[in-house]
Amino acid sequence: AQKITQTQPGMFVQEKEAVTLDCTYDTSDPSYGLFWYKQPSSGEMIFLIYQGSYDQQNATEGRYSLNFQKARKSANLVISASQLGDSAMYFCAMREDATSSSNTGKLIFGQGTTLQVKP
Amino acid sequence: DGGITQSPKYLFRKEGQNVTLSCEQNLNHDAMYWYRQDPGQGLRLIYYSQIVNDFQKGDIAEGYSVSREKKESFPLTVTSAQKNPTAFYLCASSKQGWNSPLHFGNGTRLTVT
Repeated sequence: AQKITQTQPGMFVQEKEAVTLDCTYDTSDPSYGLFWYKQPSSGEMIFLIYQGSYDQQNATEGRYSLNFQKARKSANLVISASQLGDSAMYFCAMREDATSSSNTGKLIFGQGTTLQVKP
Repeated sequence: DGGITQSPKYLFRKEGQNVTLSCEQNLNHDAMYWYRQDPGQGLRLIYYSQIVNDFQKGDIAEGYSVSREKKESFPLTVTSAQKNPTAFYLCASSKQGWNSPLHFGNGTRLTVT
C-alpha cells in the first residue's frame, strides 16, 4: 500500500495566486514527521517545510505553509503568491518510527506533483 | 560552505560493467542515504547508513552495493546484476533526529547502454 499519496500529477497556477498541493499519508505510528521538497528541472532536491505529528500549529516558512489535518492524515502544501520560479516538481515525504531522538529512519516519498506557474 | 558533493554529474557505461557513484559530505552528518529516481517518478530508497561501518538495505537494494568506511563518504556501486540501472541517483545526509530534513546532493545521471 502507498504510504504517501500525491493525487495531482500536474497542476497549473496563475502567477501571484495561491495554490494547494495535496498529500495524504498512511501510518499507524503515532510519532512521525512530514516533509515537503521542491525539485526544479535541474534535479536538486530543496527542503521546504517540516511538520511533526505532535505539532499543535501548522508549519509555515515564508510563502509556504502546511495545512495539516491529522485525523484525515493529510498534509497539504500551500504556496501563496506564486512566482515563475516556483515551477518545479514537489514531493511530500514521511519519516516513521520517530520514537527516539537518535532515530534517523528512512524518508518515504510520494510520486510528486508537477507545478507550472503561468505568467 | 558545507554540503554534499556527488560526482560525476553525468555517467555513461556499457551494459555488464560495474560503476561506482561518489558521495561526499562535509556537514558532519551521521546518516547518509542513496535514492533512485526514474523519469516523472518519486524517489526510492536503495541503501542507508546511520553510522560508520553500518548500513541497511532500502526498498530496492538488489543489484547495488555500498560501503561506509568514513563518516564523510558513502559510495554506491551499481553492479551488472542491476537489471535497469539507467536512472537519476541522489545521495543525501541528515543529522540525528527524526525531525531532521535530508540534505541532498545535485545527483548523478547514469546511462547504461
